[in-house]
Amino acid sequence: GENVEQHPSTLSVQEGDSAVIKCTYSDSASNYFPWYKQELGKRPQLIIDIRSNVGEKKDQRIAVTLNKTAKHFSLHITETQPEDSAVYFCAARYREYGNKLVFGAGTILRVKS
Amino acid sequence: DADVTQTPRNRITKTGKRIMLECSQTKGHDRMYWYRQDPGLGLRLIYYSFDVKDINKGEISDGYSVSRQAQAKFSLSLESAIPNQTALYFCATSVGQGYGYTFGSGTRLTVV
Repeated sequence: GENVEQHPSTLSVQEGDSAVIKCTYSDSASNYFPWYKQELGKRPQLIIDIRSNVGEKKDQRIAVTLNKTAKHFSLHITETQPEDSAVYFCAARYREYGNKLVFGAGTILRVKS
Repeated sequence: DADVTQTPRNRITKTGKRIMLECSQTKGHDRMYWYRQDPGLGLRLIYYSFDVKDINKGEISDGYSVSRQAQAKFSLSLESAIPNQTALYFCATSVGQGYGYTFGSGTRLTVV
C-alpha cells in the first residue's frame, strides 16, 4: 500500500553540525518528492523538492538526494543553526488518489547552541 | 500576497455537535485538499478536489464530508464530532500534479 517511512523520528545536533533525514517510498512510479518544514505552531512550508529525473538538488545549506533504485531520498542540512529547529516532513507523489502527496510521519530536529 | 486562509484558527466543540471548518484561497489554484495532522502520524489526507464539480475521498474520510462552493472555497464538515477527531487540520492547494502544496494556517480542533 501507499506508505512513506521517515527516519529518524527525532534528531538532535550541535549547532554547526550536519543533519540528515531519510525517507523511503513504495510506489516505483513516484516522481516528485518535496520536503516541508513546520515550525512550532505554524503551517508546513515547502523548503525544497526533487523530481525523479535528477539525483541531487541543492539550495544553499539544504540539499536533497534521490536514489530511485533503492526508492529512498534524503534531506541534508549543513552548518545547522538554531532556526533550523522544526519538524521536517518528506512526501512522495503517489498515483493512487489522484497523484496525491503521501507524507512521512515527520522528524523533530533540535539544533543545540 | 496570495494565501490560503482557514477559519476558525481554534475551536472547542462537544461530542455529537456538527462543525464546519472553512478554507479560502487567493492563489488561483484548482486543486484543494484537507489534511489532518496528529503527533507521530504525519499528515493524512481526508478529502481532495480538483475543481468545483470534483470531490474525492482520501485515506481517512469516514466521519467527514466536504463542499467545494467555488474554486476558491473548500469546506470540511464533521457531522457528529467525536473525541478522536481532535487534531490539527490543514487545508492545502496546488497548481497541479508534480508541484508542492501551499498549506493554510491550520485549525486546531478539540472535541470534548
